[in-house]
Amino acid sequence: EVQLVQSGAELKKPGESLKISCKVSGYGFSSYWIGWVRQMPGKGLEWMGIIYPGDSDTRYSPSFQGQVTISADKSIKTAYLQWSSLKASDTAMYYCARTRSSGYDAFDIWGQGTRVTVSS
Amino acid sequence: DIVMTQSPLSLPVTPGEPASISCRSNQSLLYANGYNYLAWYLQKPGQSPQLLIFLGSNRASGVPDRFSGSGSGTDFTLKISRVEAEDVGVYYCMQTLQIPLTFGGGTKVEIK
Repeated sequence: EVQLVQSGAELKKPGESLKISCKVSGYGFSSYWIGWVRQMPGKGLEWMGIIYPGDSDTRYSPSFQGQVTISADKSIKTAYLQWSSLKASDTAMYYCARTRSSGYDAFDIWGQGTRVTVSS
Repeated sequence: DIVMTQSPLSLPVTPGEPASISCRSNQSLLYANGYNYLAWYLQKPGQSPQLLIFLGSNRASGVPDRFSGSGSGTDFTLKISRVEAEDVGVYYCMQTLQIPLTFGGGTKVEIK
């Protein structure tokens, strides 16, 4: 069974760093893109960026470029989303999702989400 | 960026009746290969989004055949032939033609 299992909820203070994870199983990690999607409280979905673990090719939305870093570790089949200095406005649910094919025409498998709360 | 606009924002539906959601893009999503790079997702309350339709009109694995996607270029429609109670949630369209990928604002479907 294909699964994406995300790390648990986080409560952080403004200015702190954070790295959340998305561990995959049930398929060849290197052969599909993994994307990250933000959902702020009560709001819609926002695409943040995407990584191809096979060669670490990474693309970002301009809205998130420079604000977050997406990475992947093939040896442990895990993708990451990290912040160096969190803001209150980073409070949201974050989803990782796998693309349906070697291109990125759709995300067919989603993680359960990681809730990040940033508050002083 | 490609802007995706969905309508309506809210859609009260009666079980057993059909329902339809519109999604428009400000640029054509039709690629040279003949595919429209448009996907539909449903986010049920308290759950992660789930893929319904990819490449404009292809149902994802396990999606009931009461869901169908149509359209081409800039105008797309998701149709539910007979709404069931389990279909409530927020529906999103998403273009995957170019980076940055972009979502529509969502359509909330609820039972009357």
